[in-house]
Amino acid sequence: QQPVQSPQAVILREGEDAVINCSSSKALYSVHWYRQKHGEAPVFLMILLKGGEQKGHEKISASFNEKKQQSSLYLTASQLSYSGTYFCGPELIYNNNDMRFGAGTRLTVKP
Amino acid sequence: GAGVSQTPSNKVTEKGKYVELRCDPISGHTALYWYRQSLGQGPEFLIYFQGTGAADDSGLPNDRFFAVRPEGSVSTLKIQRTERGDSAVYLCASSFGRGLGETQYFGPGTRLLVL
Repeated sequence: QQPVQSPQAVILREGEDAVINCSSSKALYSVHWYRQKHGEAPVFLMILLKGGEQKGHEKISASFNEKKQQSSLYLTASQLSYSGTYFCGPELIYNNNDMRFGAGTRLTVKP
Repeated sequence: GAGVSQTPSNKVTEKGKYVELRCDPISGHTALYWYRQSLGQGPEFLIYFQGTGAADDSGLPNDRFFAVRPEGSVSTLKIQRTERGDSAVYLCASSFGRGLGETQYFGPGTRLLVL
């Protein structure tokens, strides 16, 4: 049930863009995205719900393709503060709030 | 308001010992989750409580692991006869309800090292 994330790691210069992908083998209700900095707890970024509703707290966008059971996180004009490991946590339609996180994508933004 | 808190922040123990890890969720959150995170990996689901009952404990690796939430608030994760492979960061998260789409808020974690 663990989702697959790609790429595993990416290195950017400040101002560059990145896309992180998450795919599941099961039908999804939603996808949660978290960012974790080294030695800290994961912090909620965004949730994408079945039906297209999107809720987030930062200037980061994402998409959710229910048919393909995939989500992508778009980081545009990246800042140094974007560095960290990004995890997706898909919620399966038949498994209320039972998330299995992906292995993560390590993003490094350099000046 | 206060976030999810976990104690201790670090725990070093010897192989074979018993440990208890505590989680204090956000006030009013009925759902509570335990995860284990090894270096370079995503959080691995262990157990999920809705109120006082364990709604899903399918992630507990074996019967040495047990968790309780007797009053529907604070939870304790208990590990018996610890092994070196139990070394990891144990994360606790809580959410307002059980419904789909509820955001989970994580605590800072307890770093467990079994020597």
